[in-house]
Amino acid sequence: DVKVTQSSRYLVKRTGEKVFLECVQDMDHENMFWYRQDPGLGLRLIYFSYDVKMKEKGDIPEGYSVSREKKERFSLILESASTNQTSMYLCATRTHQETQYFGPGTRLLVL
Amino acid sequence: GENVEQHPSTLSVQEGDSAVIKCTYSDSASNYFPWYKQELGKGPQLIIDIRSNVGEKKDQRIAVTLNKTAKHFSLHITETQPEDSAVYFCAPSGVSSASKIIFGSGTRLSIRP
Repeated sequence: DVKVTQSSRYLVKRTGEKVFLECVQDMDHENMFWYRQDPGLGLRLIYFSYDVKMKEKGDIPEGYSVSREKKERFSLILESASTNQTSMYLCATRTHQETQYFGPGTRLLVL
Repeated sequence: GENVEQHPSTLSVQEGDSAVIKCTYSDSASNYFPWYKQELGKGPQLIIDIRSNVGEKKDQRIAVTLNKTAKHFSLHITETQPEDSAVYFCAPSGVSSASKIIFGSGTRLSIRP
């Protein structure tokens, strides 16, 4: 079974803090993704990576950066957290057959 | 750019009845058509998928039908049960979309006892 884990289920941070969200997968998938999910807006792609040290902007990259130093780990970084980044963050991997596997999500609250 | 529309946004059905959710897409190069189910507090999980060389696929109470000409595919759930209550997403993709997948906006399905 594919396993995608995220470092925290719930996180509370203050405005201006630097926030790291980590995602680890155990199935050697090349492609990894970070989404945010907000009520009424569905899943929106922030960044994705198709290989180690490679990254591509998604639809809403502003205010975020990513790091992929190892194949199994994909980190999302909020350089200076703001209240409008309060959201559910979902990490996913993808096989060559296109199926995506999601982590359980991190619910981030920025005060 | 690609456009994916999912209807309805909310659906309430009596337990035991059927539910149908439709996904319309614009990218004619799409060739993979999955449905994901997201239960409360969890990430989405694949429940069924279909590829463009097949018109219909069934897995017990769940089925997906594809109309490539009209560019839409649908999720069918028969004999609905309380555990079917969740949010469902479509996410068509294909070669032309590279690594980027666009999700539908989701359908919140509620099963009334």
